[in-house]
This record gives sequence, C-alpha cells and structure tokens, in this order.
Amino acid sequence: GIQVEQSPPDLILQEGANSTLRCNFSDSVNNLQWFHQNPWGQLINLFYIPSGTKQNGRLSATTVATERYSLLYISSSQTTDSGVYFCAVDHSGAGSYQLTFGKGTKLSVIP
Amino acid sequence: EAGVAQSPRYKIIEKRQSVAFWCNPISGHATLYWYQQILGQGPKLLIQFQNNGVVDDSQLPKDRFSAERLKGVDSTLKIQPAKLEDSAVYLCASSRQLSGANVLTFGAGSRLTVL
Repeated sequence: GIQVEQSPPDLILQEGANSTLRCNFSDSVNNLQWFHQNPWGQLINLFYIPSGTKQNGRLSATTVATERYSLLYISSSQTTDSGVYFCAVDHSGAGSYQLTFGKGTKLSVIP
Repeated sequence: EAGVAQSPRYKIIEKRQSVAFWCNPISGHATLYWYQQILGQGPKLLIQFQNNGVVDDSQLPKDRFSAERLKGVDSTLKIQPAKLEDSAVYLCASSRQLSGANVLTFGAGSRLTVL
C-alpha cells in the first residue's frame, strides 16, 4: 500500500513562531487532506488539497503532486494550535476513496 | 450542517466482554468509514460502506469485529470478545460521494479501554 511519512514527529514552538510540517507520500494521489487532532481527540479537517496551494487565515498548505509531497505552514502560532497534525492520502491507483494516514506531527506551542 | 455523531464517547470493559459503538453520518453522505486509532498512531481504516453495502473490510479482524449499516444511514461497530489490544479510539467518518473530491469528515470518536 501507499506509504505516508510526516516530519518532524515532534515540534515545540514559542508562541508567535512560524513552522512548516512536511508530508511525503510514495505514490500518486487523488485526495490529500490535512487534519488537526485537538487534545480531546477530535479530527478537524484543515485542507482538502490534492494539488496546488490554499490558505485559511494563519494556515496554508501546498501540495506538489508530481514530487509527492505536501507542506503545511503555520504562521504566528498560538497555544490553541497545539495538538497532532495528520496528513492523509487516497491512492489514486487503488481507486478506493479511502484515506491512509501518516503517523502525525505533534505540535506543542508554549506561551 | 450537523456533524458526524458517535456514541458512547467513552467505554471501559473487561477483556472478553462485548461492546458496540454507534455512528450517525452527515445527512446525505453515502459513504461511511470506521477507523481505529491506537494511542500515538494515525487512524487505520477498519471498514468502508457505500450506502448499505461493504466496499472494503480487508483490515477488519472478522473473528471479533463486526459492522453493519442496515438502512444505509446509521452504522454500528461491535467487538466480541474484546482483547486488551482493542483499547483505542474508534472514529467514524462520512463523505458525500465515492468519486472526485471525496472529503472525509470525522466524528469525535469513541474511546475504548479494555481492562
């Protein structure tokens, strides 16, 4: 099956700092989503971004499908950004319309 | 629109007991998924439904897990008998269509502890 690797596994930021999270995937995809899992376990969809660039407030994401990676940018981080960020992909070749998740990046924003 | 509803939020049982989790997807969403998330890992797909039919259950441990979606709306996931390694959060997700921009929306999850 498709492999999804996220880096870094852990990240500690001072409030107000910027960060970049990376997701590499091993095959072509027709769906890529970024999620934030808050401390209560809820998975919140941040972006649906199989290709291109999107922005939503302090967050933005870029997927370069031909090079099989996606980046999530967090600017001016806040303590409420803490949690685990997951990248999940749907392998287009399988036609399964399922998401395979990476292991996540655990972000801690300290005041 | 209302989100994906799941219950119960928390359940603690002894090993070898049984447990059932319920999911109500977003109205109009034909595709429903159950994922298992063990502490410290990403969610792993257990089963995928399209309306009331199973699309993929290849990763469902069928000797102890079962799931159904009888009327193509609500779904139930059952574990019987439970093992210690089944301790996890069980996440239900739904999506509108099985094609194109298939955006999944997740419920809050049901956290299972097996003692």
